[in-house]
Amino acid sequence: RKEVEQDPGPFNVPEGATVAFNCTYSNSASQSFFWYRQDCRKEPKLLMSVYSSGNEDGRFTAQLNRASQYISLLIRDSKLSDSATYLCVVLSGGSYIPTFGRGTSLIVHP
Amino acid sequence: NAGVTQTPKFQVLKTGQSMTLQCAQDMNHNSMYWYRQDPGMGLRLIYYSASEGTTDKGEVPNGYNVSRLNKREFSLRLESAAPSQTSVYFCASSEAGVNGYTFGSGTRLTVV
Repeated sequence: RKEVEQDPGPFNVPEGATVAFNCTYSNSASQSFFWYRQDCRKEPKLLMSVYSSGNEDGRFTAQLNRASQYISLLIRDSKLSDSATYLCVVLSGGSYIPTFGRGTSLIVHP
Repeated sequence: NAGVTQTPKFQVLKTGQSMTLQCAQDMNHNSMYWYRQDPGMGLRLIYYSASEGTTDKGEVPNGYNVSRLNKREFSLRLESAAPSQTSVYFCASSEAGVNGYTFGSGTRLTVV
């Protein structure tokens, strides 16, 4: 089993739709979690951290399920500009090395 | 507010040539990383530096060397470039992962 797994997609959704991605991780000692966004031919950029209590930033909601070892990202009211690849990142306690998922591709169409 | 700066942005090398990719951060981060990204492979860690004065191998270190010149700068050297090293290279920095990782804009390297 890979350390961090994501469905590569693509998720093809119309504008205004709600879409959700999951990311599973294998190391139960993982302590820090992030969602990154990567546009084509650009660097990954931090979208949001994922806290144990869950967190929301505008149309984006991230949640952590430690029991089932996954994190999720929910995007409401999708915009064309949300089209990108979304990477999950997991960091285990005491480690300096983050583990990146391979990303989930989202395409929002008119 | 530069963040992480990488140079050059683009480079074409002939097989066997050498070059150094430069990376500098102005966020006073202790940890710095070099990744390569290939289609379908995701980000793969080449080398990292947990703090000034230390460097360690990542997942794919063969063919590369690094230098943590000071707290700000972390360079990646290809001693004898090979076509398999054609990739996009990203440098990143972090303060122990507390607030995530900040990436540079990348270097697109082609080895012919």
